[in-house]
Amino acid sequence: QVQLAESGGGVVQPGRSLRLSCAASGFTFSSYGMHWVRQAPGKGLEWVAVIWFDASNNNYADSVKGRFTISRDNSKNTLYLQMNSLRAEDTAVYYCAREGQFGSGGGFDYWGQGTLVTVSS
Amino acid sequence: SYELTQPPSVSVSPGQTARVTCSGDALSKQYAYWYQQKPGQAPVLVIYKDTERPSGIPERFSGSSSGTTVTLTISGVQAEDEADYYCQSADSSATWVFGGGTKLTVL
Repeated sequence: QVQLAESGGGVVQPGRSLRLSCAASGFTFSSYGMHWVRQAPGKGLEWVAVIWFDASNNNYADSVKGRFTISRDNSKNTLYLQMNSLRAEDTAVYYCAREGQFGSGGGFDYWGQGTLVTVSS
Repeated sequence: SYELTQPPSVSVSPGQTARVTCSGDALSKQYAYWYQQKPGQAPVLVIYKDTERPSGIPERFSGSSSGTTVTLTISGVQAEDEADYYCQSADSSATWVFGGGTKLTVL
């Protein structure tokens, strides 16, 4: 069965960096676009970033553009999110999500359980 | 970027029909997706491409679309349906967006 498992969250000081990982299993990872979605405590879902199935393209929400970098290693079935210059407003649960094969601009058919990132001094 | 607008809350009695709306200009050109999220859990896809239901999702969940508004309908609401519901879409510039979420309360 499809499984997505995030790791790498924790407490970090403002201005510092953190890298999240998402280990995928149960499907052909290299065939799917992958996303990061976050949810601040008590708030709604916010899309963060996308990477194409072959890493040929990516895109970011304006709130993280220039600070976060999404990447993937298809040989390791792993998705990454490098987060630099972290701010208090980046505090959230970060989910990795698989984009279903619904056509371009599709939705997310599988989600991980999330990893909590807390930015605080 | 664009926005998707949902009502903050909807309340319904068990057995009744709940309707959650989502409005946005992009919805006339792009499909909408709906997610259910219960406290402490990851979201679950309940409707894709406006009206399609993934396997394993109960038949009481359905979706519809008209112009720039999509609607999630839950017929015969059960206590277990109490959750937050989010609509989501994407635009042609490879930007995804979620609605603000609707808290469904089963009275």
